[in-house]
Amino acid sequence: DQQVKQNSPSLSVQEGRISILNCDYTNSMFDYFLWYKKYPAEGPTFLISISSIKDKNEDGRFTVFLNKSAKHLSLHIVPSQPGDSAVYFCAATLTSGTYKYIFGTGTRLKVLA
Amino acid sequence: NAGVMQNPRHLVRRRGQEARLRCSPMKGHSHVYWYRQLPEEGLKFMVYLQKENIIDESGMPKERFSAEFPKEGPSILRIQQVVRGDSAAYFCASSPPSRRNTGELFFGEGSRLTVL
Repeated sequence: DQQVKQNSPSLSVQEGRISILNCDYTNSMFDYFLWYKKYPAEGPTFLISISSIKDKNEDGRFTVFLNKSAKHLSLHIVPSQPGDSAVYFCAATLTSGTYKYIFGTGTRLKVLA
Repeated sequence: NAGVMQNPRHLVRRRGQEARLRCSPMKGHSHVYWYRQLPEEGLKFMVYLQKENIIDESGMPKERFSAEFPKEGPSILRIQQVVRGDSAAYFCASSPPSRRNTGELFFGEGSRLTVL
């Protein structure tokens, strides 16, 4: 049972344009969401997070949007840069519990120069 | 470098052998987590440990897998009698004891286990 889903395995975007990565979840109890970026042969690195009490969080070129009613979140990268090419994982968890993250399967972003 | 350190980075074992993966958390971190990434899949939670305690092992297979985080030394994930299906990347992560942070986990670079 995949509680966190990233339905697009890959995405290609032109440099300078917006990248939009999507994530859906099924468990309405999740109250904290994160995005991680992963380069080949490296561990995931934290990118940005959002609590369920918010619907938007922004950090530089990265913005995460949360739509609780639709159980959907998205990561916007503007403007996209070639160095953003990586696999992006969304993750969900319960802040009342442990750091037991439920990860999606990832979306491979390729930013074309 | 005070990052999460994992070793070995690559490990090759034959079926039936034992695999031991080590993880030293970031300095000041007392919580350790192990995740596994099978080919073409996302990371899946395996176990959450604090010093000398297993807090949550709900993601660990019932047999052949064990984890520990002793008072001294690194955390160890042990897989006995490995099978081909154990081939995966095993990631360790750590977090500080305080919850007054962004909630992020700090991941190591992973240990890639190949079972022949």
